[in-house]
Amino acid sequence: GNSVTQMEGPVTLSEEAFLTINCTYTATGYPSLFWYVQYPGEGLQLLLKATKADDKGSNKGFEATYRKETTSFHLEKGSVQVSDSAVYFCALYAGKSTFGDGTTLTVKP
Amino acid sequence: DTGVSQDPRHKITKRGQNVTFRCDPISEHNRLYWYRQTLGQGPEFLTYFQNEAQLEKSRLLSDRFSAERPKGSFSTLEIQRTEQGDSAMYLCASSPPFRVGNEQFFGPGTRLTVL
Repeated sequence: GNSVTQMEGPVTLSEEAFLTINCTYTATGYPSLFWYVQYPGEGLQLLLKATKADDKGSNKGFEATYRKETTSFHLEKGSVQVSDSAVYFCALYAGKSTFGDGTTLTVKP
Repeated sequence: DTGVSQDPRHKITKRGQNVTFRCDPISEHNRLYWYRQTLGQGPEFLTYFQNEAQLEKSRLLSDRFSAERPKGSFSTLEIQRTEQGDSAMYLCASSPPFRVGNEQFFGPGTRLTVL
């Protein structure tokens, strides 16, 4: 079956540090890939997506590139802010959604 | 712009009782999904509707779980004879037709605690 493996957390960074959260997947066919974010006390929100190989999704300074050759969709941000503190979920859609277990990011001032 | 809503937000019940949750998707979204999320885990797929048709159910969904979407709008998820292992956050999501990549919009969830 399909699966998503995320970098284990928690991740703690200082403000303005560079962020990478690794995500790799296993799927048949050509899934769409997503990053969702869950802020404290809120529901999951779509952060960005990519629907085919080599696509780059971007939003709010976050980026991720769909790498079919390495089956990866790593999330990056050049300079994190305290407000980015949240849980980040990598997911794929191939008929139904499969999520990773989430990575908790804490950004300290 | 109303998002996906779920009711109740919290439910505490005793083992063996039945519970029912409701999800109201974004209007005109024809696809509706239920997920279960436990602490430290990502959402786990339970079932999926396209309009009123239930197209897929997870093998993890026991016979005690049933979901309906009778008019293709709101959906209910019922758990019969609840067990302590059913304690989790139950998430509903919807997505519009013809959207490449199937972006899903999530509700706030219903947190179930079985005592």
